[in-house]
Amino acid sequence: GDSVTQTEGPVTVSESESLIINCTYSATSIAYPNLFWYVRYPGEGLQLLLKVITAGQKGSSRGFEATYNKETTSFHLQKASVQESDSAVYYCALGMATGGNNKLTFGQGTVLSVIP
Amino acid sequence: NSKVIQTPRYLVKGQGQKAKMRCIPEKGHPVVFWYQQNKNNEFKFLINFQNQEVLQQIDMTEKRFSAECPSNSPCSLEIQSSEAGDSALYLCASSLGAFNYAEQFFGPGTRLTVL
Repeated sequence: GDSVTQTEGPVTVSESESLIINCTYSATSIAYPNLFWYVRYPGEGLQLLLKVITAGQKGSSRGFEATYNKETTSFHLQKASVQESDSAVYYCALGMATGGNNKLTFGQGTVLSVIP
Repeated sequence: NSKVIQTPRYLVKGQGQKAKMRCIPEKGHPVVFWYQQNKNNEFKFLINFQNQEVLQQIDMTEKRFSAECPSNSPCSLEIQSSEAGDSALYLCASSLGAFNYAEQFFGPGTRLTVL
């Protein structure tokens, strides 16, 4: 089946440093999947951070960026300068609309701690 | 912020007991998903609905789990006979459609503990 693998955490960085969380995927369908980054802040529910539905495109939100690379089957999450408020758990996810069902396949999550 | 409502937030059951949790999707969202997130943070898709119809469900759901999304009532997920391995966070999500780029909005989850 489909699978997503991401950087194993926890990841600890200092405020204003750069960040990259790796994500690679494997999709069984010949169609290209849609790719998502979800985030869960402490005490809150899972929410969408960004999504990209076209291979080769870049998505961005709240200073985070991710580029959909179909050659390397990757969707790494990057930020040039993290803030303490970015401390959260980040999930990479893949969506395939097979049979009219767009269920998501998630990675295992990466815990990010930003030290002030 | 998502307006998917899940109740209860915490549920404690003994082995063999029924466990039932509810979800109210965002207004206007006809598609509802249930996922299980275990203690290792692994997500597992369980079942989804479009309006009242099941779109897809996994084998596990077909055996001990039952779910429904009746018209004008909350959706529900029920485990008929809880097992220790069912202890997990159960997440409900809703979306505008079953098309592949439709964003899923998640509720806070129901954390089930089976003693």
